Amino acid sequence: SAVISQKPSRDICQRGTSLTIQCQVDSQVTMMFWYRQQPGQSLTLIATANQGSEATYESGFVIDKFPISRPNLTFSTLTVSNMSPEDSSIYLCSVERGTGMTEAFFGQGTRLTVV
Amino acid sequence: QKEVEQNSGPLSVPEGAIASLNCTYSDRVSQSFFWYRQYSGKSPELIMSIYSNGDKEDGRFTAQLNKASQYVSLLIRDSQPSDSATYLCAVFISAGGTSYGKLTFGQGTILTVHP
Repeated sequence: SAVISQKPSRDICQRGTSLTIQCQVDSQVTMMFWYRQQPGQSLTLIATANQGSEATYESGFVIDKFPISRPNLTFSTLTVSNMSPEDSSIYLCSVERGTGMTEAFFGQGTRLTVV
Repeated sequence: QKEVEQNSGPLSVPEGAIASLNCTYSDRVSQSFFWYRQYSGKSPELIMSIYSNGDKEDGRFTAQLNKASQYVSLLIRDSQPSDSATYLCAVFISAGGTSYGKLTFGQGTILTVHP
């Protein structure tokens, strides 16, 4: 499995501010995925990040709120912009092994609390 | 109908018993199915993947897939207190017949194994 390092592991932020979450993988991967897990809920895909192209966002998520960068094949960032308490969640970075969706592995997650 | 649905929990079994977790999915062309275990405060950990009809065994875990019934299950034999966690069913739903798509997660089933 890939080694995925995500940081910060947790943060407490003021409403109206922005937080950038970083995800570093120990090997080159084609696609990286960003998920949100709200308290007591399952995982919801925010967007898919391909290197060299704009991220593809799922219904209900927009680039202005969750801008994503993917500068190379081992790194991606997700920014949560203009935060409100409703953004309090765990944000998870994920990569797949191989292509064609074989198996997905997750970073340790970022626990975000907005006050 | 939700794309991926898991049997409602929480599920409580005594130590040494068999825990049975069930999942149904709506997309008939789905080809890849996964079970993740998530301990409280941790990120999801892949424990089983299954791609073809039938059973797949790995230690105390057995995944069962029935594509005709759009049903996938996970059996945990000789359940241990350390198996207590949330179990997430995930289904890969392809985009337009390509090898790319997204993982869709069920809502999770909380399993408690009591001594």
